[in-house]
Parts: sequence; C-alpha cells; structure tokens
Amino acid sequence: ETGVTQSPTHLIKTRGQQVTLRCSSQSGHNTVSWYQQALGQGPQFIFQYYREEENGRGNFPPRFSGLQFPNYSSELNVNALELDDSALYLCASSNTGTTQETQYFGPGTRLLVL
Amino acid sequence: AQTVTQSQPEMSVQEAETVTLSCTYDTSENNYYLFWYKQPPSRQMILVIRQEAYKQQNATENRFSVNFQKAAKSFSLKISDSQLGDTAMYFCAFAGGADGLTFGKGTHLIIQP
Repeated sequence: ETGVTQSPTHLIKTRGQQVTLRCSSQSGHNTVSWYQQALGQGPQFIFQYYREEENGRGNFPPRFSGLQFPNYSSELNVNALELDDSALYLCASSNTGTTQETQYFGPGTRLLVL
Repeated sequence: AQTVTQSQPEMSVQEAETVTLSCTYDTSENNYYLFWYKQPPSRQMILVIRQEAYKQQNATENRFSVNFQKAAKSFSLKISDSQLGDTAMYFCAFAGGADGLTFGKGTHLIIQP
C-alpha cells in the first residue's frame, strides 16, 4: 500500500509569484485535505476535495485554490504569494468525504517566500 | 467554531517513565472525533490514537492510551514506558462537521536517555 506523497519537498519563491504543490493520495482514498503549518504552530485547514469537488474550506482567501483529479491526486495553487505564506504545506488523504475519518498525512512541502 | 488548547508547550521525561499530555477543546457539537498525532523532526504527521465521542470506553494503542472526559471536554494522552523514539511534537486534533481537523498548538515531548 502506497502512502501519501507530496512534491516538491522544498520550494523557494518570491513575493507576488504563483506556486503549485502536488499530492498523491494513499491508494484506495478518494478524499484529500490541505493544511498550512506555520513555524511553531499546529496545522490550519485550507480545504478538502472529495471526488473532484471542494466540500469544505477553512479561513483562507480565494488566492488559495485547488484541484482534484480523477485518480484522486490533488494540487494546491497559491497566487500572489505573500511573505506570510511561508510555511509547511501538508496534504492528507482519507477514504470518505467526511473529516471524521482518520486522515493520513504526507511528508509536506516546505515553502519559503522571499 | 471549535478550539483546541494544549497548555504544555514542552515536556521532558526520562526514558521508561510515564508521561501525560493534556488537551482541552471547546465545541457545541455532540458527534465528533478526537485524535492525537505525532510529528517527529522528519515532519510527517503520524496518527497515534483516535477516539469517537460517542464511545465511553477510552481508546488504547499499545503503550498509548487516552483519558476522554466528554463533559469536561478533556482528552489527555498517556504514554507508558516512554522510549527515545517518542521524542516529537504531539498535536491534539478535533474533527466535526466539514471544517477539517482543528489542531492545538502542540506539545514538544523530549524523552531523555
């Protein structure tokens, strides 16, 4: 059974640029959630995708957007990067569209915005 | 909206000792789930234990057990016979509704040899 994978592992961007982060869900899982973890903090929920549709969103502006593909992999896109977007971005997968199901996390992408 | 509070930023114990990490939460929901996740320096968040709010029996997983007090909205994690590999950040998390997991700020647990 393949676990959750994320790419890239590290990324450096400058303010105002756009970035795309990628996530492959664990085999058999159809739901992907994205979280932002600032240094020294717990993860914050960005949004969740279930069967290619967004079905939950946290308190993040519209410049944070996503996609889920037919194979249930997912992308997180962030436009107009700001310095405060520097964080660890975690992807988690599960096999229902609800958040009560246990979520399994990938290793994360560390984004630095200069 | 729900909140999760972990009041111990850091704890340190000797190997083989028992340690308890505290977590309290606030919610108006009746059906929800609670989790403890471990995040070692490798960054990958690993599930430690899960508790369904409708179950009165406390969850256990080998050396890990919880003390779930629904009325008090308390969900502590007990680690018995602690090992060096238990050194990590531990996050308490709440799941209810469609808002994703709500995490506390974490407790940095250090196991001393």
